[in-house]
Amino acid sequence: DVKVTQSSRYLVKRTGEKVFLECVQDMDHENMFWYRQDPGLGLRLIYFSYDVKMKEKGDIPEGYSVSREKKERFSLILESASTNQTSMYLCASHTPSGTGSYEQYFGPGTRLTVT
Amino acid sequence: AQSVTQPDIHITVSEGASLELRCNYSYGATPYLFWYVQSPGQGLQLLLKYFSGDTLVQGIKGFEAEFKRSQSSFNLRKPSVHWSDAAEYFCAVGAGPAGKLIFGQGTTLQVKP
Repeated sequence: DVKVTQSSRYLVKRTGEKVFLECVQDMDHENMFWYRQDPGLGLRLIYFSYDVKMKEKGDIPEGYSVSREKKERFSLILESASTNQTSMYLCASHTPSGTGSYEQYFGPGTRLTVT
Repeated sequence: AQSVTQPDIHITVSEGASLELRCNYSYGATPYLFWYVQSPGQGLQLLLKYFSGDTLVQGIKGFEAEFKRSQSSFNLRKPSVHWSDAAEYFCAVGAGPAGKLIFGQGTTLQVKP
């Protein structure tokens, strides 16, 4: 079974802090994604990565950056946390090979509260 | 531009009743379509997917979905709902070469005893 783990289930940070959210997958997947989930808005893509050290902006990258130094790990960074970044953050991984194309595997999520 | 619409934000059904969750998509080519379920406090779990072939797709937990190209729809159905089906359901379409998914807004299912 594919396993995607996220470093924290719940996180509380103060405004202005630098926040790191970590995601690790164990299936050697090439592609990894960070989403935020807000009520009524579904999942919105923040950033994704299709290879080590390669990244692309998603639909809502402002206020975020990412890092992918190793294939299995994809980090989301909030450079200076703000209250409007309070949300559920979901990480996912995917491999483009085979008939499973587009199927993404999700971690359990990190609920971040910025006070 | 590709998009997914789930017209129902919240649905309540009685346990044992049938269920249909609606999903409409906008996509130029043959779509890759998915339904995911999210139980409270959990990540997303894949229920079923459509790539090609038979337009009626069977998934896990007794769910099925039907792809209707003429209506640009991919509705999720279950003949008899169980209390454990209470969750949030997301429809998604695959978009672009990097495996990106575009999600609908989600439908929250409440099950009455």
